[in-house]
Amino acid sequence: SQQGEEDPQALSIQEGENATMNCSYKTSINNLQWYRQNSGRGLVHLILIRSNEREKHSGRLRVTLDTSKKSSSLLITASRAADTASYFCAPYSVAASYGKLTFGQGTILTVHP
Amino acid sequence: GAGVSQSPRYKVAKRGQDVALRCDPISGHVSLFWYQQALGQGPEFLTYFQNEAQLDKSGLPSDRFFAERPEGSVSTLKIQRTQQEDSAVYLCASSSRQKETQYFGPGTRLLVL
Repeated sequence: SQQGEEDPQALSIQEGENATMNCSYKTSINNLQWYRQNSGRGLVHLILIRSNEREKHSGRLRVTLDTSKKSSSLLITASRAADTASYFCAPYSVAASYGKLTFGQGTILTVHP
Repeated sequence: GAGVSQSPRYKVAKRGQDVALRCDPISGHVSLFWYQQALGQGPEFLTYFQNEAQLDKSGLPSDRFFAERPEGSVSTLKIQRTQQEDSAVYLCASSSRQKETQYFGPGTRLLVL
């Protein structure tokens, strides 16, 4: 399965702290995507990292990818209360049909003001 | 520009009732995906359209689930004879081509009593 598994399942931090969540997967991938979901809302795409990239930045987000370990991490720096949400990784492989994404249970991040 | 929209946002159905959920993808997006998200879980793939062609329906849980996209834009997910286990959030996503970022709608929260 190309499903990503996020770790930890839940993370609680204070505003201003950094938050790190991890993703592991089992098959070869072409890219890996991270999504955020606020309570009761749809998923919002955060960042896509391709298999030939090792690190990518977008604002306060930093994503790393280690294809040898089949793992990725998402770092949110200087967290804000508005970052409170569930975070999902979605590994993508051309071997899977038509671009469907396979999500794990996600990491629930709570940022306390 | 407008994002993916879904209607209704909330639907309460009595067991055995038929329901229809609508998705308006981003204009011009070729690919359209339906996902089902149970409480506390990540989204699970249901079906995929490329234009009007349904190329993958491997995730549909039973023959009570039916999806269509007759003109290659708006899509409808129909659930016949709803059961309590159908209660979930149904998410629609579209993308401009395969393998790239998917843009999600806000979802339809279905509750079957």
